[in-house]
Amino acid sequence: AQSVSQHNHHVILSEAASLELGCNYSYGGTVNLFWYVQYPGQHLQLLLKYFSGDPLVKGIKGFEAEFIKSKFSFNLRKPSVQWSDTAEYFCAGRDGTDKLIFGTGTRLQVFP
Amino acid sequence: EAQVTQNPRYLITVTGKKLTVTCSQNMNHEYMSWYRQDPGLGLRQIYYSMNVEVTDKGDVPEGYKVSRKEKRNFPLILESPSPNQTSLYFCASSSNRDWQPQHFGDGTRLSIL
Repeated sequence: AQSVSQHNHHVILSEAASLELGCNYSYGGTVNLFWYVQYPGQHLQLLLKYFSGDPLVKGIKGFEAEFIKSKFSFNLRKPSVQWSDTAEYFCAGRDGTDKLIFGTGTRLQVFP
Repeated sequence: EAQVTQNPRYLITVTGKKLTVTCSQNMNHEYMSWYRQDPGLGLRQIYYSMNVEVTDKGDVPEGYKVSRKEKRNFPLILESPSPNQTSLYFCASSSNRDWQPQHFGDGTRLSIL
C-alpha cells in the first residue's frame, strides 16, 4: 500500500533562513504529489502539486518542491522563510486509486 | 460562495452515545471525504465517496459509518463513540478523483468522554 513519510516532525527557524522539509512516498508507479499548509486554527490549503512534467514545481507564497523519482522524494523548499510561514505542513500523495494519503505533518516555527 | 459546511463545530459527548457530524457542499462535487487529524499522526482518511451511493473505506474506517444519499451531503456517523475517537475531523470535497482542488470544511472538534 502507498505511504507518505515526513521525517521532520518539528522544525524551528529564524526569519530569512532557508527551509527544506522532507517527504518520501512508497508507491512505485504513477503518483500525484501535493504539499498542503495549515495555519493555526485554519483548514488545509494547497501549496503546490505535481502530476507530471517539470519535476521542479513552484507553488504559492514562494514555495517550491522537487520531484526526484529515483529517491521517491518530493521535498518542499523556500529560500527565505518569514514569521508568517509558521504553520503545519503536510505532504500527500495519490496513486492510481481515488485515495489521498497524507504524511504525519511537519510543524514549522519561525522566529523573528 | 463555494463552501463546505460542517456541523457541529465542537461537541463533547459520552461513550456510547450515537452522534452524527453533518457535511454539506454547495459546489455540486462528486467526491467527498472525511479525515481525522491527530497530533503526530497528520490527516488520516476515514471514508470517501465518489458519487451518490458510492463510498469506500479510507485508512481508518473502524468505528465510523457514512452515507451518500444526496450529492451535497456526506454525514459521518459514530454509532457507539469511544474516547479514542476524540479528534479533529475535516470534511472535504472535490470535483475530480485527483482531489484537486480539494475544499475543506472548518473542522469539527469531537471530545468523547
